[in-house]
This record gives sequence, C-alpha cells and structure tokens, in this order.
Amino acid sequence: GGIITQTPKFLIGQEGQKLTLKCQQNFNHDTMYWYRQDSGKGLRLIYYSITENDLQKGDLSEGYDASREKKSSFSLTVTSAQKNEMAVFLCASSIRRGSDYTFGSGTRLLVI
Amino acid sequence: GQQVKQSSPSLTVQEGGISILNCDYENDMFDYFAWYKKYPDNSPTLLISVRSNVDKREDGRLTVFLNKSGKHFSLHITASQPEDTAVYLCAAGAVQGGSAKLIFGEGTKLTVSS
Repeated sequence: GGIITQTPKFLIGQEGQKLTLKCQQNFNHDTMYWYRQDSGKGLRLIYYSITENDLQKGDLSEGYDASREKKSSFSLTVTSAQKNEMAVFLCASSIRRGSDYTFGSGTRLLVI
Repeated sequence: GQQVKQSSPSLTVQEGGISILNCDYENDMFDYFAWYKKYPDNSPTLLISVRSNVDKREDGRLTVFLNKSGKHFSLHITASQPEDTAVYLCAAGAVQGGSAKLIFGEGTKLTVSS
C-alpha cells in the first residue's frame, strides 16, 4: 500500500517568517491538495495541483505559495506567518480529479 | 456563501441506535458525494462515496442516501457503536465537469453513548 507523508509534524514559527511545509505521496496519484483546518471552520482549500508543475488557487490562497516540481511531492509556503496563528495543514492526494482523497497526517502550525 | 453545509454541529445517539448525519449543497453541478471520518488529532479518512447516477449506496453498517432534487445527502450508521464517536465531514465536487477539488462541510461531531 501507499503512503502520504507530511513534514514537519509540528512547526513553530515567528511572526513574519517564511515557512515551508512538505508533502510526499507514493500512490502515483495525479492530483494533490493543501487544505487548512481551523477549529470550527472545517477544511478550506489553499492550493491544488492536477499534475506535475500545475498549480491552481483555492479559496484561501492569499498569503501562500505552492510548488509541484515532481508528481510525488507538493510543497506549501506560508509567505509571512501571522502572530498567534494556529492551524492544522492537511495534504491530500487523489488518483483522479475530485475523486476519493487520501490525507496525510497533518502539520500543526503555531506562530509566536 | 458556503457551498456544502452541515447544519448540525453535534449529534448524540444511544449505542445500538441509528445515527443520521445530514449534508446540504448548493451547486447543481456537483456529481460526487463523500463522507469522511475524523478522530481527534488524526486526519480525515474516507468512509464512503457515491456518484450522482445512484441515489443510495450501502457498505456494511453505512448507507449514503442522495436526494438530488433537494440537494441533500445523508449518512446513516446502523447499530451505532462507541467507536463510531468522531467528527464526520461531508464533501462534494463536480467531477464530470472537470473540477479537481472537493468542498467540505464543517463537520458534525457524533457521540455514541453506551
């Protein structure tokens, strides 16, 4: 079976810092996604990519950049961390557009 | 506006009873519907999904009902057990239309009491 791995699991950053989150999958899935989960707000889409070198903005893309240099990996950058920000960032992949997702275990971000 | 909505933030059911989780959507183009389960401090995992060409799908204790005219789908869990206690997220997307993304609801916290 395959696996989707997010690194780091925990990330503590400082206000204004640029922070990068990584996601790797070995399912050979075409499509990858980054979602943000805040308490009481469900999952909100930040960026997604339907193939290598493709990037599509989600509803929450402002303040983020993304990179899909290889089919197996999808990175997310917080361009300027906001003080007191606390959220879980979830990476997911699917074999086809919009079909069943497999999620990574998440990166928990805290900005001090 | 919120395209996928779970109007009940929480639900409590007695062990052995039927848990019914509901989800409403706005977009007529949605043709893929799914339910995910999430334990605290864990990621969501897919429970069951359906395409719009069916109005019901069963898998063990789980049944998804799809009401396209009412833009509503639900998850029924029969013989509910304490280990079913979790947050349930519904999701929908317009796959046939070429969209690659799913829109998630905010989740319903199900508690099964023994």
